[in-house]
Amino acid sequence: AQSVTQPDIHITVSEGASLELRCNYSYGATPYLFWYVQSPGQGLQLLLKYFSGDTLVQGIKGFEAEFKRSQSSFNLRKPSVHWSDAAEYFCAVVTTGNQFYFGTGTSLTVIP
Amino acid sequence: DGGITQSPKYLFRKEGQNVTLSCEQNLNHDAMYWYRQDPGQGLRLIYYSQIVNDFQKGDIAEGYSVSREKKESFPLTVTSAQKNPTAFYLCASSFTRGEQFFGPGTRLTVL
Repeated sequence: AQSVTQPDIHITVSEGASLELRCNYSYGATPYLFWYVQSPGQGLQLLLKYFSGDTLVQGIKGFEAEFKRSQSSFNLRKPSVHWSDAAEYFCAVVTTGNQFYFGTGTSLTVIP
Repeated sequence: DGGITQSPKYLFRKEGQNVTLSCEQNLNHDAMYWYRQDPGQGLRLIYYSQIVNDFQKGDIAEGYSVSREKKESFPLTVTSAQKNPTAFYLCASSFTRGEQFFGPGTRLTVL
């Protein structure tokens, strides 16, 4: 069965520190992968997506993610976190049948 | 500007009432989705539609109903059969196997 796992429920980092949010997926075919960000009381905003090609993808707000097929992972990274990055982050995969699977989310707190 | 809109932003329901949440998109997307989000929880799929006049139940469809008479519109009705409807509701749309675009959400509270 298809699924997405985000092992970290909550992460706290200091402003200016680097960030890595983990995402593992379970899907037999070529995955299409996404990272979204959600601020409190708002909808989800797409940060970046991977369909094919270069396994390191760049997104908005200085985020990047690396697709590693051997590890079934699609981890999100940012070299230097800003206070405005505090939010909930969701990883997602879509199947060939257009079924979306979201992880349970990682809540990011940024300490000044 | 293309986008997806939801209305109202806040909605209050009395016990025993049905209420309808609106979702409209002008992105020409074929697929539309409704999710429920509870505090500290992820997204749970209520219903989705891949094409006009067709929709499928998601993981938590009980107590909800939808229609898809137009490509642009996918309203969600929360019926009195839904015993715990207080939540944040998100609508999304997408092309086939493309990224989902989300609306700003509707917060429903039962009085």
